[in-house]
Amino acid sequence: AQKVTQAQTEISVVEKEDVTLDCVYETRDTTYYLFWYKQPPSGELVFLIRRNSFDEQNEISGRYSWNFQKSTSSFNFTITASQVVDSAVYFCALSEGTSGNTPLVFGKGTRLSVIA
Amino acid sequence: EPEVTQTPSHQVTQMGQEVILRCVPISNHLYFYWYRQILGQKVEFLVSFYNNEISEKSEIFDDQFSVERPDGSNFTLKIRSTKLEDSAMYFCASRVLAGPYNEQFFGPGTRLTVL
Repeated sequence: AQKVTQAQTEISVVEKEDVTLDCVYETRDTTYYLFWYKQPPSGELVFLIRRNSFDEQNEISGRYSWNFQKSTSSFNFTITASQVVDSAVYFCALSEGTSGNTPLVFGKGTRLSVIA
Repeated sequence: EPEVTQTPSHQVTQMGQEVILRCVPISNHLYFYWYRQILGQKVEFLVSFYNNEISEKSEIFDDQFSVERPDGSNFTLKIRSTKLEDSAMYFCASRVLAGPYNEQFFGPGTRLTVL
């Protein structure tokens, strides 16, 4: 069975601090996809990144970076120099299968508060 | 940029009433999904739909729920007799079938409040 664990329920940081959001997943498939979504206070789900299980290369996009490690089944998300606008709930999600048509399984989310 | 739209943004209903939540997926997408998020909790899969039939459904998606694509553009979720515990944000999502990726594009959600 697939499972996503985000152990950090809430994190609070001061603006300009770096923060890492943890995500640990469980799956029996060798082919799967991992995602991060941001849910700001307005409620919509904003896609941030997708990774497939064969691509362990870390990615950086501006202040955002992702560290995918299959050895520890983790897909952690780091925000560098956090800003107040980063305040949101962040969800990690997993989808199994070669066709990629299976539904997303979400973690419980981490609520990030960035204080000015 | 094409996007998934959902109406209404907020629906208030009395317990026992039927509600229909509407979604317009991105036009060239072929796979459609409904998810729900009870306030403060995680997003949970309800149902996926392809080629005019349900592909997969979760245990949450019981006989009170149904989905339909009535006219080739809208994708609806019907709850026949709402319960208090159906109060949640309902998200519609769609994706293009072809290709190795599995990016689902989410709509803005409909907040359902059952009184």
